[in-house]
Amino acid sequence: AQSVTQPDIHITVSEGASLELRCNYSYGATPYLFWYVQSPGQGLQLLLKYFSGDTLVQGIKGFEAEFKRSQSSFNLRKPSVHWSDAAEYFCAVGHKAAGNKLTFGGGTRVLVKP
Amino acid sequence: DAMVIQNPRYQVTQFGKPVTLSCSQTLNHNVMYWYQQKSSQAPKLLFHYYDKDFNNEADTPDNFQSRRPNTSFCFLDIRSPGLGDAAMYLCATSRDRSGGGETQYFGPGTRLLVL
Repeated sequence: AQSVTQPDIHITVSEGASLELRCNYSYGATPYLFWYVQSPGQGLQLLLKYFSGDTLVQGIKGFEAEFKRSQSSFNLRKPSVHWSDAAEYFCAVGHKAAGNKLTFGGGTRVLVKP
Repeated sequence: DAMVIQNPRYQVTQFGKPVTLSCSQTLNHNVMYWYQQKSSQAPKLLFHYYDKDFNNEADTPDNFQSRRPNTSFCFLDIRSPGLGDAAMYLCATSRDRSGGGETQYFGPGTRLLVL
C-alpha cells in the first residue's frame, strides 16, 4: 500500500538558518509527489510538485525539493528561513489509479526562533 | 481572487444536530474533494465528486454525506455529529483526476466544534 512518512514531527530552526524537511514514500511506481504548507487555521497551499524529469524541483517562497528514487525520498529545503515560514508542512503522494487521491504524511511542524 | 471558498469558517453544532458545510469554487474544476483533518493530524479524504459522479472512501462513516448540485458548489452533510467529528473540514478541487498528478487546490477550511 502507498504510504508517506515524515520522520520529524517538530523542527525548530533559527531565522536565517537553512531548513530541510524529510519525506519518505512507499509506492509501486514512479510517484507524483507534492509538498503543501498549512499556516495555523488555514487550508493547504501547494509549495511544489514532482512528476518527472529534473529531480530538483523549485517551488514558491524559495523552497526546493529533490526527488531521490534510490532513497524513496523527496526532501524539502530552504536555504534561509523567514519567521513567516513557521507552519506545518505536509508531503503527499498522488495516486495514479485512484482518482487523483492524495495520501499525506503526518506533517512536520516548523517553529522559527528569532 | 478567492478560488476555493468555504463557509462558514467556524461552525458550532450540538451533539446529534445535523450540520451542513459549504464549499464553492471559481476554477470551474471537475473534481471536488472533502477532507477531514483532526488536530495535529494529516488530512484524510472522505469522498470526492468527479463531475456528478460521487466516490466514497471505504472507511468514511455513513454519518457523512455529500451533495454537488452544480459544478461550483459542494456540500458536506453530517447527519448526527458526534464529539469525535470535531475537526477541520477541508474542501479541495482539481481540474481533472486522471493520472494522479493533478494539483489539488484547497480552501481555508471550516472548523467544526461539537458541543
